[in-house]
Amino acid sequence: EPEVTQTPSHQVTQMGQEVILRCVPISNHLYFYWYRQILGQKVEFLVSFYNNEISEKSEIFDDQFSVERPDGSNFTLKIRSTKLEDSAMYFCASSVEGKHEQYFGPGTRLTVT
Amino acid sequence: AQSVAQPEDQVNVAEGNPLTVKCTYSVSGNPYLFWYVQYPNRGLQFLLKYITGDNLVKGSYGFEAEFNKSQTSFHLKKPSALVSDSALYFCAVRDINNYGQNFVFGPGTRLSVLP
Repeated sequence: EPEVTQTPSHQVTQMGQEVILRCVPISNHLYFYWYRQILGQKVEFLVSFYNNEISEKSEIFDDQFSVERPDGSNFTLKIRSTKLEDSAMYFCASSVEGKHEQYFGPGTRLTVT
Repeated sequence: AQSVAQPEDQVNVAEGNPLTVKCTYSVSGNPYLFWYVQYPNRGLQFLLKYITGDNLVKGSYGFEAEFNKSQTSFHLKKPSALVSDSALYFCAVRDINNYGQNFVFGPGTRLSVLP
């Protein structure tokens, strides 16, 4: 069964460094998303992406964040200058259409020291 | 604005007993409703959804949920709980009249099924 994959599973970085989190959505899906989950807290929406552009973003998704679909399979989240409070689990998701269920990857645990 | 409430942080149930995990929602229009389960150190797995049609929807692993428009609820149920059902459960909503496609998740309910 097709699934969303994410790399790396765990990323440790120093404050101020740039990180790129990578995702490979399910191949026939058209909508892509990033969410984050700070340890012990709820899952929070960051951004949705469709037709090679951002369709919606939350207030969390500030100028430090960017997303890109550099080729036909990868979907990346870049954090330009990480802060301690960026430490969280980051989930990528994809869906066939906007109203349909989203399929989530296993997540990347980002630790900023 | 959309919002989801899961009034119980923790639900404990004995194996073999029925379980209910509660969810209420608030949207300006009609909702799309979803349940996800998260096992330790894993991503979220889709369980079931309500888009339209029958108010009772059936999903994976024997779970079902009932959409109640008047009570704005979408409680998750299972007739007979298994120890392996122990996990974190998230309800999510999307307003079909909202241009955006993002989900709003509830805070989660931790289900513990005791042997």
